[in-house]
Amino acid sequence: DTGVSQNPRHKITKRGQNVTFRCDPISEHNRLYWYRQTLGQGPEFLTYFQNEAQLEKSRLLSDRFSAERPKGSFSTLEIQRTEQGDSAMYLCASSSGQGGNSPLHFGNGTRLTVT
Amino acid sequence: GNSVTQMEGPVTLSEEAFLTINCTYTATGYPSLFWYVQYPGEGLQLLLKATKADDKGSNKGFEATYRKETTSFHLEKGSVQVSDSAVYFCALSHPTGGGNKLTFGTGTQLKVEL
Repeated sequence: DTGVSQNPRHKITKRGQNVTFRCDPISEHNRLYWYRQTLGQGPEFLTYFQNEAQLEKSRLLSDRFSAERPKGSFSTLEIQRTEQGDSAMYLCASSSGQGGNSPLHFGNGTRLTVT
Repeated sequence: GNSVTQMEGPVTLSEEAFLTINCTYTATGYPSLFWYVQYPGEGLQLLLKATKADDKGSNKGFEATYRKETTSFHLEKGSVQVSDSAVYFCALSHPTGGGNKLTFGTGTQLKVEL
């Protein structure tokens, strides 16, 4: 079990730039989730894929955010025209399809700083 | 909507002390309940879970019991160690479209000192 891998670990960007993060889930997991965590808060759900289908998006996910999982394996999260309020830790998690309560396995996250 | 409330930290204890971190929830239906732990510099890890009322989850000496009547899932450990220092998150799941979306509390930082 190689775990969930996220890249990069850290990203510093200037306001208005676009950024893209990558997540590689555990290989046999068909479900993939993106969360955002700000300092002193718990993770907040952003979006969820089952295989390549994006099944749910939070209202937190403005139209500047887009996520893809083109082949049902790795996923990317892109933020366009970044704002300082986008600064946060972006977490990816994956789970198997064995029932609605299969645990989520989280990556170490990508920390975004928008200056 | 669904929500999770945890006691605020940081909680500072001496090694071998008894630990309780309170967690209460609001949810429709019958959610599953989880405790996740985040060690410094690492990702969230599942610590334990309970899927129905009166279930007790346990792992690494930690325990939590799903109490439907009090909508609570308090985390306990009889004797903490310095290595237990971390941030602990209570969470509930509400299946959506066959998934397992989690709602987290704000986290409680635990510091254990010698």
